[in-house]
Amino acid sequence: SQKIEQNSEALNIQEGKTATLTCNYTNYSPAYLQWYRQDPGRGPVFLLLIRENEKEKRKERLKVTFDTTLKQSLFHITASQPADSATYLCALSGYSTLTFGKGTMLLVSP
Amino acid sequence: EPEVTQTPSHQVTQMGQEVILRCVPISNHLYFYWYRQILGQKVEFLVSFYNNEISEKSEIFDDQFSVERPDGSNFTLKIRSTKLEDSAMYFCASSDSVGGGAYYNEQFFGPGTRLTVL
Repeated sequence: SQKIEQNSEALNIQEGKTATLTCNYTNYSPAYLQWYRQDPGRGPVFLLLIRENEKEKRKERLKVTFDTTLKQSLFHITASQPADSATYLCALSGYSTLTFGKGTMLLVSP
Repeated sequence: EPEVTQTPSHQVTQMGQEVILRCVPISNHLYFYWYRQILGQKVEFLVSFYNNEISEKSEIFDDQFSVERPDGSNFTLKIRSTKLEDSAMYFCASSDSVGGGAYYNEQFFGPGTRLTVL
């Protein structure tokens, strides 16, 4: 069955540093991979989508890479701010489904 | 900015009772979804809906669950006979179909309905 792994431990970093979150998957060959942000008690909010033929995608302070050989995506937030503190979810796109990882909590301290 | 809305925000019910969770997707979207998230666990896909029929469903979405688009704006999830393990946050989502598919379009999630089964 499909398996998506994200670091279960929270990532603590200082404001201004770059946060790097990892998403690994097995038994799956997605054409698209998406990243979402989730705040406590709220619904996921879309951040970025990357296609299998794209190695890298950027949006403002966010950068996503997608390595289909390694079956891994990396999500970077540069110049992190306390407001970036949240859980970040990796999701693999099926035809009309999203399969989510459990997410990694990011804590940015001032 | 358009958003997905869900009602109620919190529903408490007795085991064995029927519940209907309601959603209003973004008006020009064509794909609709239900997900659930048990406390402390990952967001899980339940069902997708397109052109007035179910497009895909997960193993969780058994005969106790049904979805309906009763009019041009609402999208509902019905659980016929609730169980304790149905307690979770239920999220509705919608997406556009730019290019003809759902899988490369971002999904817009509602704020969720917290269902508590006693």
